[in-house]
Amino acid sequence: DVKVTQSSRYLVKRTGEKVFLECVQDMDHENMFWYRQDPGLGLRLIYFSYDVKMKEKGDIPEGYSVSREKKERFSLILESASTNQTSMYLCASSPPGQGAETQYFGPGTRLLVL
Amino acid sequence: AQSVSQHNHHVILSEAASLELGCNYSYGGTVNLFWYVQYPGQHLQLLLKYFSGDPLVKGIKGFEAEFIKSKFSFNLRKPSVQWSDTAEYFCAVNAGSGGGADGLTFGKGTHLIIQP
Repeated sequence: DVKVTQSSRYLVKRTGEKVFLECVQDMDHENMFWYRQDPGLGLRLIYFSYDVKMKEKGDIPEGYSVSREKKERFSLILESASTNQTSMYLCASSPPGQGAETQYFGPGTRLLVL
Repeated sequence: AQSVSQHNHHVILSEAASLELGCNYSYGGTVNLFWYVQYPGQHLQLLLKYFSGDPLVKGIKGFEAEFIKSKFSFNLRKPSVQWSDTAEYFCAVNAGSGGGADGLTFGKGTHLIIQP
Protein backbone atom coordinates (compact mmCIF):
# COMPACT_ATOMS: atom_id res chain seq x y z
CA ASP A 1 0.00 0.00 0.00
CA VAL A 2 1.13 3.52 -0.77
CA LYS A 3 1.85 5.49 2.32
CA VAL A 4 1.95 9.26 2.41
CA THR A 5 2.78 10.74 5.77
CA GLN A 6 2.71 14.31 6.97
CA SER A 7 4.87 15.50 9.84
CA SER A 8 2.12 16.99 11.97
CA ARG A 9 -1.63 16.46 12.29
CA TYR A 10 -2.15 19.81 14.05
CA LEU A 11 -0.08 22.98 14.17
CA VAL A 12 -0.63 26.32 15.85
CA LYS A 13 1.54 29.21 14.69
CA ARG A 14 1.60 32.96 15.11
CA THR A 15 1.26 35.55 12.36
CA GLY A 16 4.63 36.25 10.76
CA GLU A 17 6.22 32.93 11.68
CA LYS A 18 7.92 30.79 9.09
CA VAL A 19 6.15 27.45 8.86
CA PHE A 20 7.37 24.18 7.38
CA LEU A 21 4.97 21.37 6.48
CA GLU A 22 6.68 18.11 5.60
CA CYS A 23 5.40 15.26 3.47
CA VAL A 24 7.04 11.90 2.83
CA GLN A 25 5.92 9.10 0.51
CA ASP A 26 7.35 5.60 0.46
CA MET A 27 6.44 4.40 -3.04
CA ASP A 28 9.12 6.07 -5.15
CA HIS A 29 6.54 8.32 -6.81
CA GLU A 30 7.80 11.01 -9.15
CA ASN A 31 4.87 13.39 -8.67
CA MET A 32 3.99 15.14 -5.45
CA PHE A 33 1.38 17.78 -4.67
CA TRP A 34 0.27 20.21 -2.01
CA TYR A 35 -3.39 21.20 -1.68
CA ARG A 36 -5.32 23.19 0.85
CA GLN A 37 -8.83 22.18 1.82
CA ASP A 38 -11.35 24.74 3.07
CA PRO A 39 -15.04 24.24 3.86
CA GLY A 40 -17.19 25.06 0.86
CA LEU A 41 -14.16 25.50 -1.40
CA GLY A 42 -12.99 21.91 -1.83
CA LEU A 43 -9.32 21.25 -2.51
CA ARG A 44 -7.18 23.77 -4.30
CA LEU A 45 -3.74 23.03 -5.72
CA ILE A 46 -0.92 25.13 -4.27
CA TYR A 47 2.22 23.65 -5.81
CA PHE A 48 3.32 20.41 -7.40
CA SER A 49 6.56 18.74 -8.35
CA TYR A 50 7.27 16.11 -10.98
CA ASP A 51 10.90 15.50 -10.09
CA VAL A 52 13.57 16.32 -7.57
CA LYS A 53 14.35 20.05 -7.51
CA MET A 54 11.49 20.69 -9.93
CA LYS A 55 8.43 22.68 -8.88
CA GLU A 56 5.41 24.18 -10.57
CA LYS A 57 2.84 26.65 -9.35
CA GLY A 58 -0.68 25.42 -8.92
CA ASP A 59 -3.82 27.52 -8.72
CA ILE A 60 -3.08 29.40 -5.49
CA PRO A 61 0.72 29.66 -4.94
CA GLU A 62 0.77 33.15 -3.41
CA GLY A 63 2.28 33.18 0.06
CA TYR A 64 3.76 29.70 -0.29
CA SER A 65 6.94 28.10 -1.54
CA VAL A 66 8.07 24.48 -1.79
CA SER A 67 11.22 22.41 -1.65
CA ARG A 68 11.94 18.99 -3.16
CA GLU A 69 15.53 18.01 -2.38
CA LYS A 70 14.82 14.27 -2.26
CA LYS A 71 12.39 12.23 -4.28
CA GLU A 72 10.41 11.01 -1.28
CA ARG A 73 10.06 14.36 0.47
CA PHE A 74 8.10 17.47 -0.51
CA SER A 75 8.00 20.44 1.84
CA LEU A 76 5.54 23.31 1.86
CA ILE A 77 6.85 26.59 3.32
CA LEU A 78 4.85 29.54 4.55
CA GLU A 79 7.46 32.29 4.56
CA SER A 80 5.42 34.57 6.84
CA ALA A 81 2.24 32.94 8.06
CA SER A 82 -0.97 34.93 7.93
CA THR A 83 -4.40 34.24 9.42
CA ASN A 84 -5.90 33.57 5.98
CA GLN A 85 -3.55 30.59 5.70
CA THR A 86 -5.42 28.81 8.48
CA SER A 87 -6.55 25.67 6.70
CA MET A 88 -6.19 21.93 6.27
CA TYR A 89 -3.16 21.12 4.12
CA LEU A 90 -3.10 17.87 2.17
CA CYS A 91 -0.11 16.28 0.50
CA ALA A 92 -0.48 13.74 -2.30
CA SER A 93 1.75 11.69 -4.57
CA SER A 94 1.27 9.79 -7.80
CA PRO A 95 3.37 7.41 -9.90
CA PRO A 96 4.84 8.28 -13.30
CA GLY A 97 3.37 7.24 -16.63
CA GLN A 98 -0.03 5.60 -16.95
CA GLY A 99 -1.90 5.99 -13.74
CA ALA A 100 -0.14 9.22 -12.86
CA GLU A 101 -3.53 10.83 -12.55
CA THR A 102 -4.45 8.72 -9.54
CA GLN A 103 -3.25 10.47 -6.43
CA TYR A 104 -2.67 9.08 -2.96
CA PHE A 105 -3.29 11.45 -0.11
CA GLY A 106 -1.76 11.91 3.32
CA PRO A 107 -3.83 12.44 6.48
CA GLY A 108 -3.54 16.21 6.36
CA THR A 109 -2.13 18.90 8.62
CA ARG A 110 -4.60 21.25 10.23
CA LEU A 111 -2.86 24.60 10.62
CA LEU A 112 -4.17 27.41 12.78
CA VAL A 113 -2.48 30.80 12.43
CA LEU A 114 -3.21 33.19 15.31
CA ALA B 1 -8.20 25.59 -17.53
CA GLN B 2 -10.69 23.03 -16.34
CA SER B 3 -13.30 23.53 -13.63
CA VAL B 4 -15.62 21.22 -11.72
CA SER B 5 -19.09 21.92 -10.39
CA GLN B 6 -20.85 19.78 -7.81
CA HIS B 7 -24.55 20.46 -7.66
CA ASN B 8 -25.28 19.90 -4.01
CA HIS B 9 -23.23 21.03 -1.05
CA HIS B 10 -25.26 19.07 1.49
CA VAL B 11 -27.40 15.99 1.00
CA ILE B 12 -29.36 14.18 3.71
CA LEU B 13 -30.83 10.76 3.02
CA SER B 14 -32.29 7.89 4.98
CA GLU B 15 -30.69 4.46 4.94
CA ALA B 16 -31.64 2.34 1.90
CA ALA B 17 -32.46 5.42 -0.19
CA SER B 18 -30.86 5.74 -3.62
CA LEU B 19 -28.12 8.29 -4.13
CA GLU B 20 -27.08 10.40 -7.07
CA LEU B 21 -24.51 13.18 -6.68
CA GLY B 22 -24.10 15.46 -9.64
CA CYS B 23 -20.79 16.54 -11.13
CA ASN B 24 -20.19 18.63 -14.22
CA TYR B 25 -16.87 19.74 -15.60
CA SER B 26 -15.77 22.26 -18.15
CA TYR B 27 -12.89 21.34 -20.41
CA GLY B 28 -12.88 20.91 -24.15
CA GLY B 29 -10.38 18.10 -24.46
CA THR B 30 -9.84 14.59 -23.17
CA VAL B 31 -10.31 14.29 -19.42
CA ASN B 32 -9.72 11.83 -16.65
CA LEU B 33 -12.46 11.87 -14.02
CA PHE B 34 -12.46 10.86 -10.38
CA TRP B 35 -14.60 10.63 -7.32
CA TYR B 36 -12.80 10.81 -3.98
CA VAL B 37 -14.37 10.27 -0.56
CA GLN B 38 -13.34 11.54 2.85
CA TYR B 39 -14.90 9.73 5.79
CA PRO B 40 -14.94 11.60 9.09
CA GLY B 41 -11.40 11.80 10.49
CA GLN B 42 -9.90 9.79 7.63
CA HIS B 43 -7.70 10.34 4.57
CA LEU B 44 -9.09 11.33 1.25
CA GLN B 45 -9.35 8.11 -0.75
CA LEU B 46 -10.21 7.17 -4.30
CA LEU B 47 -13.72 5.87 -4.85
CA LEU B 48 -13.57 5.34 -8.60
CA LYS B 49 -12.04 6.77 -11.77
CA TYR B 50 -12.68 7.00 -15.48
CA PHE B 51 -9.89 7.24 -18.05
CA SER B 52 -11.42 5.67 -21.18
CA GLY B 53 -13.59 2.80 -22.38
CA ASP B 54 -16.89 1.82 -20.79
CA PRO B 55 -18.48 5.06 -19.55
CA LEU B 56 -20.09 3.25 -16.64
CA VAL B 57 -17.44 2.64 -14.02
CA LYS B 58 -17.75 0.73 -10.79
CA GLY B 59 -15.86 1.61 -7.67
CA ILE B 60 -15.53 0.45 -4.11
CA LYS B 61 -18.39 -0.03 -1.66
CA GLY B 62 -21.08 -0.40 -4.33
CA PHE B 63 -20.60 3.01 -5.90
CA GLU B 64 -20.69 3.61 -9.63
CA ALA B 65 -20.47 6.62 -11.91
CA GLU B 66 -21.45 7.31 -15.49
CA PHE B 67 -19.47 9.52 -17.83
CA ILE B 68 -21.76 11.31 -20.29
CA LYS B 69 -19.49 13.19 -22.66
CA SER B 70 -22.28 15.17 -24.34
CA LYS B 71 -23.36 16.53 -20.96
CA PHE B 72 -19.86 16.98 -19.52
CA SER B 73 -21.09 15.02 -16.54
CA PHE B 74 -19.78 12.31 -14.23
CA ASN B 75 -22.53 11.63 -11.69
CA LEU B 76 -21.98 9.30 -8.76
CA ARG B 77 -24.67 6.76 -7.88
CA LYS B 78 -25.43 4.12 -5.29
CA PRO B 79 -28.70 2.17 -5.31
CA SER B 80 -29.02 1.79 -1.53
CA VAL B 81 -26.98 3.89 0.90
CA GLN B 82 -25.85 2.87 4.36
CA TRP B 83 -25.18 4.91 7.48
CA SER B 84 -21.45 4.27 6.92
CA ASP B 85 -21.61 6.22 3.64
CA THR B 86 -21.78 9.45 5.64
CA ALA B 87 -18.79 11.39 4.30
CA GLU B 88 -17.69 14.22 2.07
CA TYR B 89 -17.51 13.40 -1.63
CA PHE B 90 -15.34 15.21 -4.14
CA CYS B 91 -15.46 15.06 -7.90
CA ALA B 92 -12.15 15.81 -9.64
CA VAL B 93 -10.84 16.15 -13.16
CA ASN B 94 -7.47 16.08 -14.83
CA ALA B 95 -6.77 17.00 -18.44
CA GLY B 96 -6.06 13.75 -20.23
CA SER B 97 -3.09 15.06 -22.13
CA GLY B 98 -1.23 16.24 -19.07
CA GLY B 99 0.14 12.90 -18.00
CA GLY B 100 -1.24 13.38 -14.54
CA ALA B 101 1.75 15.27 -13.23
CA ASP B 102 -0.02 18.59 -13.10
CA GLY B 103 -2.54 17.91 -10.37
CA LEU B 104 -6.28 17.53 -10.11
CA THR B 105 -9.01 20.15 -10.16
CA PHE B 106 -11.57 19.41 -7.48
CA GLY B 107 -15.17 20.40 -7.01
CA LYS B 108 -16.22 22.04 -3.77
CA GLY B 109 -17.48 18.80 -2.31
CA THR B 110 -20.82 17.35 -1.23
CA HIS B 111 -21.38 16.58 2.40
CA LEU B 112 -23.57 13.47 2.57
CA ILE B 113 -25.36 12.57 5.79
CA ILE B 114 -27.18 9.25 6.06
CA GLN B 115 -29.77 9.04 8.81
CA PRO B 116 -30.31 5.62 10.38
